[in-house]
Amino acid sequence: DIQLTQSPSFLSASVGDRVTITCRASHGISGYLAWFQQKPGKAPKLLIYAASTLQSGVPSRFSGSGSGTEFTLTISSLQPEDFATYYCQQLYSNFPWTFGQGTKVEIK
Amino acid sequence: QVTLKESGPVLVKPTETLTLTCTVSGFSLSNARMGVSWIRQPPGKALEWLAHIFSNDEKSYSTSLKSRLTISKDTSKSQVVLSMTNMDLVDTATYYCARIREAVRQVDYWGQGTLVTVSS
Repeated sequence: DIQLTQSPSFLSASVGDRVTITCRASHGISGYLAWFQQKPGKAPKLLIYAASTLQSGVPSRFSGSGSGTEFTLTISSLQPEDFATYYCQQLYSNFPWTFGQGTKVEIK
Repeated sequence: QVTLKESGPVLVKPTETLTLTCTVSGFSLSNARMGVSWIRQPPGKALEWLAHIFSNDEKSYSTSLKSRLTISKDTSKSQVVLSMTNMDLVDTATYYCARIREAVRQVDYWGQGTLVTVSS
């Protein structure tokens, strides 16, 4: 299976900070990567798909980049509503799809 | 308006088989390039992808759980069903279904999730 490793697992940041989360795949997955935001007690929300395409309705401060085995999610200016847990997911071909272990973003 | 809603038992006993149903609306399961996945999340832990049924009825399963899972769909009822055999305490989790636009692998809609507790 394709393993995804997110870093860091935990991030403490302030409102207005630029935040970057990395997701590394154990095998090349082209651009088949998505990013989700999850708040406690809620279903995940799609932020980015196909590595860099912003989901409709998602603020432009969120952006994604990468291809192959290394991907990043960037929040250009962290807002109070962005404190949450973020997950990457690979959806490469018809392989079993997998999630990263998550990155929790908390208020400094 | 696209919606997905999970339903099934809230409590199952160890060794029993869990059957969950995802009822969709706002789109058709016979629609080309629309599939449905099941994902779970144990309390306080990460998301785990379980299974997917493609629009052409092809199925894909988590490698670690493949022997215990069966996914199917009933297009006429707009339902996707997941069965998991031999339930264990560690299978206690919130189970979600989600729609995927297959061409671009866009996981655009999720159900609210249903908490399943495994306990004797």
